Amino acid sequence: DTGVSQDPRHKITKRGQNVTFRCDPISEHNRLYWYRQTLGQGPEFLTYFQNEAQLEKSRLLSDRFSAERPKGSFSTLEIQRTEQGDSAMYLCASSLDGLHNSPLHFGNGTRLTVT
Amino acid sequence: AQSVTQLDSHVSVSEGTPVLLRCNYSSSYSPSLFWYVQHPNKGLQLLLKYTSAATLVKGINGFEAEFKKSETSFHLTKPSAHMSDAAEYFCVVTRGGGSYIPTFGRGTSLIVHP
Repeated sequence: DTGVSQDPRHKITKRGQNVTFRCDPISEHNRLYWYRQTLGQGPEFLTYFQNEAQLEKSRLLSDRFSAERPKGSFSTLEIQRTEQGDSAMYLCASSLDGLHNSPLHFGNGTRLTVT
Repeated sequence: AQSVTQLDSHVSVSEGTPVLLRCNYSSSYSPSLFWYVQHPNKGLQLLLKYTSAATLVKGINGFEAEFKKSETSFHLTKPSAHMSDAAEYFCVVTRGGGSYIPTFGRGTSLIVHP
């Protein structure tokens, strides 16, 4: 079990630029989640995948955000035309299956700063 | 719909004294409940989970939580705080039945004084 890994750890970008983050889940995990966390708040759900299928997206996820999990393994989250309000920690988590009692395993996150 | 409320944004205790972090939930279905801990510059780590078995759940590092359906609560406790317990703690609720999304509380910051 190598854990969930996220890349990069930090990203600083200028407003209007596009950014892409990568998440590698635990290899046998079917579910993959993206969350966003701002200072003083709990993680907020963005989207999740069951294998390669994106099953649900939050209303927080504007049209500028897109996520993929092309082969049911790693996932990418892209933000187009970044805004200062996008500055946050982006967390990826995976779980073994879709059972409601399966705990999430988190990566260390990607901290995005939009200047 | 489901939601979780962490009643205290900050809890301050002295080392060696008991810890109580409060969590109330709302769920239309039988929930699963979790507590996660986040140390500074570290990823979120599972402390414990409740999944409709025993109502008193023991977790790592001496933490435990009790599920009380009548009070819709899932408070986290520890008999004696240690300096290393200083961190952010999150209560999480999910529900059974088809697709679900783990929903986080806003967190409680535990401060431990020497």
